[in-house]
Amino acid sequence: NAGVTQTPKFRVLKTGQSMTLLCAQDMNHEYMYWYRQDPGMGLRLIHYSVGEGTTAKGEVPDGYNVSRLKKQNFLLGLESAAPSQTSVYFCASSSHRGARSNQPQHFGDGTRLSIL
Amino acid sequence: AQTVTQSQPEMSVQEAETVTLSCTYDTSESDYYLFWYKQPPSRQMILVIRQEAYKQQNATENRFSVNFQKAAKSFSLKISDSQLGDAAMYFCAYRAGGTSYGKLTFGQGTILTVHP
Repeated sequence: NAGVTQTPKFRVLKTGQSMTLLCAQDMNHEYMYWYRQDPGMGLRLIHYSVGEGTTAKGEVPDGYNVSRLKKQNFLLGLESAAPSQTSVYFCASSSHRGARSNQPQHFGDGTRLSIL
Repeated sequence: AQTVTQSQPEMSVQEAETVTLSCTYDTSESDYYLFWYKQPPSRQMILVIRQEAYKQQNATENRFSVNFQKAAKSFSLKISDSQLGDAAMYFCAYRAGGTSYGKLTFGQGTILTVHP
């Protein structure tokens, strides 16, 4: 039972480099989310998707782009990495029905990203 | 916009004792859900307990219970008979009902230390 899988688990980048974080879920969930976790700030929503081909901005979208070409995958891109994007990134998913009830989101194990 | 505040950055408790973690939130919605998540050093996000706003009865899950005060917009977590394995970061989270697409708003987190 894989659930939500994030790739990679850890990465170090230099300022200005680009990279893509991959999130894959095998639960046929309609909704997917990207959060970042920073000390003293909890988790904050970057972008989310309510279905294949659709994306929307969250609380802290600047510097990130996302794509959802397939229902099971949600990609988070950093075009030109900055030290302020050093963080732990979490992907999560939820069913449409679950999002309107008390069902929790399913989280991946996170990606620790360091920008030097 | 909704906000969630955890005013205790760190808490400690002796093994077998009881500890309460505080959480307050601000919303104008009447339909919403509240969650407590546990994050051990492994970075996993583990659901501890959930509460529906329309339910007056406080949720309970084994040693974990909440004190939900809707008028005061307070949602504290009580851990009874604390165990070493309870040591972790704890996050309070809010989700609006209706068409919010299941987005979560998190508090800043509380680090819980359990002393043997």
